[in-house]
Amino acid sequence: AQSVAQPEDQVNVAEGNPLTVKCTYSVSGNPYLFWYVQYPNRGLQFLLKYITGDNLVKGSYGFEAEFNKSQTSFHLKKPSALVSDSALYFCAVRDNSGYSTLTFGKGTMLLVSP
Amino acid sequence: GAGVSQSPSNKVTEKGKDVELRCDPISGHTALYWYRQSLGQGLEFLIYFQGNSAPDKSGLPSDRFSAERTGGSVSTLTIQRTQQEDSAVYLCASSPLAGTGPWEKLFFGSGTQLSVL
Repeated sequence: AQSVAQPEDQVNVAEGNPLTVKCTYSVSGNPYLFWYVQYPNRGLQFLLKYITGDNLVKGSYGFEAEFNKSQTSFHLKKPSALVSDSALYFCAVRDNSGYSTLTFGKGTMLLVSP
Repeated sequence: GAGVSQSPSNKVTEKGKDVELRCDPISGHTALYWYRQSLGQGLEFLIYFQGNSAPDKSGLPSDRFSAERTGGSVSTLTIQRTQQEDSAVYLCASSPLAGTGPWEKLFFGSGTQLSVL
């Protein structure tokens, strides 16, 4: 069975500082990895994905994520946080062997202080 | 429509009552998903539709839960004899592809907040 772990319920960072939101995964085959973001009172929005190729993936709003196969991780990063980045972030994984559901982690609340 | 639409946005019901939650996906999207979001539990997969058929119902927590999709469009999630543990935000998502592509991006609605008293 595939699974996602987001070890931090909440991450606090000051505006202008770099941020990292952690994600580790487990799948039987090769993974397809995603980050989604949920702003207050809004639906989840796709942020970025890793399918294959370059381990560093760039997405919306200046976010990027690094795929590390040996550590089975896909941490979300941004060089300089904005207050408007404050939201709930979800990591998700699916197996590349045919159909499989998209499995989400429990989410990490990112709070960026002014 | 411009996005995935869910109704109602909020539903308060009494324990034991039946509820129906509606999802209007983006026009032309063939894949439709239902997820449940509970505090501290993240997103829990419920069911996946490809067209009008549901090849994956593995996430439905009990036989009180059922869902259907008609005309390859609107979907209804029905919860019978609601229990307090059913209280959660129910999210619907759609995708233009067949549900098997790795590049698949899900478009989510704003959800229905269900409260069972």
